[in-house]
Amino acid sequence: KNQVEQSPQSLIILEGKNCTLQCNYTVSPFSNLRWYKQDTGRGPVSLTIMTFSENTKSNGRYTATLDADTKQSSLHITASQLSDSASYICVVSARTRGDSWGKLQFGAGTQVVVTP
Amino acid sequence: DVKVTQSSRYLVKRTGEKVFLECVQDMDHENMFWYRQDPGLGLRLIYFSYDVKMKEKGDIPEGYSVSREKKERFSLILESASTNQTSMYLCASSLSGLAGSSYEQYFGPGTRLTVT
Repeated sequence: KNQVEQSPQSLIILEGKNCTLQCNYTVSPFSNLRWYKQDTGRGPVSLTIMTFSENTKSNGRYTATLDADTKQSSLHITASQLSDSASYICVVSARTRGDSWGKLQFGAGTQVVVTP
Repeated sequence: DVKVTQSSRYLVKRTGEKVFLECVQDMDHENMFWYRQDPGLGLRLIYFSYDVKMKEKGDIPEGYSVSREKKERFSLILESASTNQTSMYLCASSLSGLAGSSYEQYFGPGTRLTVT
């Protein structure tokens, strides 16, 4: 079973509207959580990163929240633009002793389509 | 800006062929990774390398091998390509840090491989 579950799988929104994507995880012990944006045919690009002690982080019109107690995160997109059409991937890092790279667990992504 | 490049964006190979996917990063990162990405699944780690000539198996190493002869270059090898290896392949690199830390992974644009 995937340790990072995202919902919805896909959504269509009108340009200018807001939307919220969800991420639930079971990864433990938790190190940090990132949201990546992946445009079609491109590699993922990091939007935000949050550690255990942070519960919100913004990057322009993107705002991520984290509740480490319930192991849930959300990504809110404000005033969506056509360029926001992409897959948004939730990535959770486990805090693993003995290695220096921190294994990542990837969600399957939420495909967002912004229509005019 | 970190740059991770991959040798091909699209590749079509026949069953049984030997396939080489090349990845180069220009930021002197110690860690390099190969993932595959399939619809409905999160990115899955095939192999990673934390130093020249060092490699570790990821979650799905079967049917793949890797080579890291220089710090900036990490190659993924399909010894005998099969149709179930048709996928998007993503390379990434990151710094190396203290045990349990997790530095951001920077991704290349991906290679879409089709095996017929």
